[in-house]
Amino acid sequence: SQELEQSPQSLIVQEGKNLTINCTSSKTLYGLYWYKQKYGEGLIFLMMLQKGGEEKSHEKITAKLDEKKQQSSLHITASQPSHAGIYLCGASPGSARQLTFGSGTQLTVLP
Amino acid sequence: ETGVTQSPTHLIKTRGQQVTLRCSSQSGHNTVSWYQQALGQGPQFIFQYYREEENGRGNFPPRFSGLQFPNYSSELNVNALELDDSALYLCASSLAGGSPKNIQYFGAGTRLSVL
Repeated sequence: SQELEQSPQSLIVQEGKNLTINCTSSKTLYGLYWYKQKYGEGLIFLMMLQKGGEEKSHEKITAKLDEKKQQSSLHITASQPSHAGIYLCGASPGSARQLTFGSGTQLTVLP
Repeated sequence: ETGVTQSPTHLIKTRGQQVTLRCSSQSGHNTVSWYQQALGQGPQFIFQYYREEENGRGNFPPRFSGLQFPNYSSELNVNALELDDSALYLCASSLAGGSPKNIQYFGAGTRLSVL
């Protein structure tokens, strides 16, 4: 079965700083999804990456899927308190019936 | 706002009892997936329903069961509750074969506490 490892587990940054969260898969990624979760709430879809080398941006968040398709990174530029939360990467096997998730990265942005 | 609604938001049960959680999918979506999220962990896939049939199941015992109705809403039933069943239960809806492919949109979850 596919496993996803996220790093770091937690991150505390000062407002305005850039940061990167990594997601490494034990198997080739056919679809990689990034979600954000406020503590105890549902997941909010951020971006989906499918092709090796693909890069997508939304506001100040950029996600990339590496060429070998076993790692993805999420980069936040000029962080704001509104970026705080838990970032989860999820991957689907070829059949895309289910998502396997990493354990999440807890982001705290200090004003 | 994803358009996926779950009820109830919170629930307290005692060990051995049974519970039913409900989910209304986003308009136009025909697939519902259920996940269990323990504190500090990522969501774990329970099962998925597509057109009222179970379409994949994770590593959960048979006391976890589900239904999907003709309007694509869904229920998750858990029998003989155990303390370890305490978790946030998330429902996600998607459109099988849709584009962008298979993005799952999540509800706010039901927080279940088993005492």
